[in-house]
Amino acid sequence: GDSVTQMEGPVTLSEEAFLTINCTYTATGYPSLFWYVQYPGEGLQLLLKATKADDKGSNKGFEATYRKETTSFHLEKGSVQVSDSAVYFCALSDQLSGGYNKLIFGAGTRLAVHP
Amino acid sequence: ETGVTQTPRHLVMGMTNKKSLKCEQHLGHNAMYWYKQSAKKPLELMFVYSLEERVENNSVPSRFSPECPNSSHLFLHLHTLQPEDSALYLCASSQDTGDANEKLFFGSGTQLSVL
Repeated sequence: GDSVTQMEGPVTLSEEAFLTINCTYTATGYPSLFWYVQYPGEGLQLLLKATKADDKGSNKGFEATYRKETTSFHLEKGSVQVSDSAVYFCALSDQLSGGYNKLIFGAGTRLAVHP
Repeated sequence: ETGVTQTPRHLVMGMTNKKSLKCEQHLGHNAMYWYKQSAKKPLELMFVYSLEERVENNSVPSRFSPECPNSSHLFLHLHTLQPEDSALYLCASSQDTGDANEKLFFGSGTQLSVL
């Protein structure tokens, strides 16, 4: 079945450092890809998404490009802030029987940014 | 505030107790979901409801019993749970279930501890 693999955390960076969180996927079709973020004590929020190959999703300085040839959707940010400390989840959409969609999530990567 | 409210935020229960988790969404969405978030494991989809009808039961044990009395409310009834059921239970909603690009709106979750 479809799956998502993320780099294990935690990732610890100093403020203004460059961030990359790797995400690769396995899918039989052409799923949409997502990054969700979970801040401490909160639920998940959509950060960005891409719906087809070579699309770039971006939001709040974060970017990710849908790479079909490498089945990847790596998250990047040029200069992280302390407020970016959170858990980041890569996800893809999958089709359930009956035509319903569901999200398949990776295990999450915890990011800690220090001043 | 995502528009999805979960109560209680924390719950401690014994293995013989019966309790219920509540989720309410004020977004006018037609689909609601229960996810389980365990430490170091990917989010697991448990149940999907579309227009108050259950459309997915992801092989969840019968000690978890969902209820969707209307499109704004979703419950998860718990009975005779096991310690390994301790986790963060997240509720989510979306406009519909059939769009691969659908954005999910998550609540903050109920942190459940089974003693």
